[in-house]
Amino acid sequence: QAQLVQSGAEVKTPGASVKVSCTASGYTFTSYYMHWVRQAPGQGLEWMGIINPNGGATTYAQKFQGRVTMTSDTSTGRLYMELSSLRSDDTAVYYCARAGRYGGKFDYWGQGTLVTVSS
Amino acid sequence: QSALTQPRSVSGSPGQSVTISCTGTSSDVGAYNYLSWYQQHPGKAPKVVIYEVSKRPSGVPDRFSGSKSDNTASLTISGLQAEDEADYYCCSYAGSPYVFGTGTQVTVL
Repeated sequence: QAQLVQSGAEVKTPGASVKVSCTASGYTFTSYYMHWVRQAPGQGLEWMGIINPNGGATTYAQKFQGRVTMTSDTSTGRLYMELSSLRSDDTAVYYCARAGRYGGKFDYWGQGTLVTVSS
Repeated sequence: QSALTQPRSVSGSPGQSVTISCTGTSSDVGAYNYLSWYQQHPGKAPKVVIYEVSKRPSGVPDRFSGSKSDNTASLTISGLQAEDEADYYCCSYAGSPYVFGTGTQVTVL
């Protein structure tokens, strides 16, 4: 049974960076893509980007280009999403979500990581 | 890439059917059959209930069904039950990015 476990809540000041981790287990790490999706308080889901752990290729949503970096570490089974130049409207729950192929459904989700940006 | 359009809320009594629409464009919903639906209960991570327009993952009740016509997809919940009360989001592959719908709150009266 696949499982995605994310790192704990973070509080950051405007202008700082945050790095959220997602530890995958229960499946072959390099056989599945990983998406990052965020949800601001009381708002809808927003797709941020995708990484292929088999090689590390990434595609980011245009909105986050230049501010987001997604990486993977095959030795530990961990994926990371780093968001820089944080603003108050980056306050959200950040999720990692697995997909079997490009275009495929997000079949397993992490529990979410709350990132609060406040001065 | 703009969010797909969903009604803000729909409601129905137990046992009734409700349908949620998801309207996009010929570049996303109309272009691909990679259209999925996610159910999200308060404080929980989303869960897939329909993928590739009309396929149900194992474990999802058959009262959930999906369809698509041109640039609009639909999710129908037949025989509405109390546990179906949640937020629902459509999501479409759009060639490289993905795009979610605005979300619909389903209320069981």
